[in-house]
Amino acid sequence: DARVTQTPRDKVTEMGQEVTMRCQPILGHNTVFWYRQTMMQGLELLAYFRNRAPLDDSGMPKDRFSAEMPDATLATLKIQPSEPRDSAVYFCASGLGHSYEQYFGPGTRLTVT
Amino acid sequence: SQQGEEDPQALSIQEGENATMNCSYKTSINNLQWYRQNSGRGLVHLILIRSNEREKHSGRLRVTLDTSKKSSSLLITASRAADTASYFCATDAETSGSRLTFGEGTQLTVNP
Repeated sequence: DARVTQTPRDKVTEMGQEVTMRCQPILGHNTVFWYRQTMMQGLELLAYFRNRAPLDDSGMPKDRFSAEMPDATLATLKIQPSEPRDSAVYFCASGLGHSYEQYFGPGTRLTVT
Repeated sequence: SQQGEEDPQALSIQEGENATMNCSYKTSINNLQWYRQNSGRGLVHLILIRSNEREKHSGRLRVTLDTSKKSSSLLITASRAADTASYFCATDAETSGSRLTFGEGTQLTVNP
């Protein structure tokens, strides 16, 4: 049963600390997405990759967020330094690209105090 | 503003009843998708309807798409308590590449 995995599932950190979230997409999927979900803003696309190349990261605050795909089995989202307003659930999703459904991971719940 | 906007924001029904949720969007699309999210979980894909399709069925789900009105509806028939979740429509706009733009969701509560 192929599924997207994310670690950690929960993260509590203090303002100013670095946070790294990891995602393992479904094997064979060539497109990986990072989303952020909050009550106020709903589900927002932060960045996405196709064949490991970043296609769009316009949804990310560039000064503190970075997203990478070191290899086809790992995507990372890093926040440095973290701020309380970054508190949210961060989802990774993978898919086969254009006009196909996306498969979501369970999310990382981030709390920045 | 959101590309996809769901209506109503919240819906409460009794088990066995049908639930209908609507989605409106603004730009031309390649396809429209519906997802379900249980509390504290990731989104789960339910159904995808392409811009040249008008209706699609999957089990107890029926989705319609009216591109002239830029709207879609999701019907869940014979609802069950396990259908309690948030339902989101997501649009794949013609100019967006692989991006999906999600609406704010409809919270469905099915009372046993």
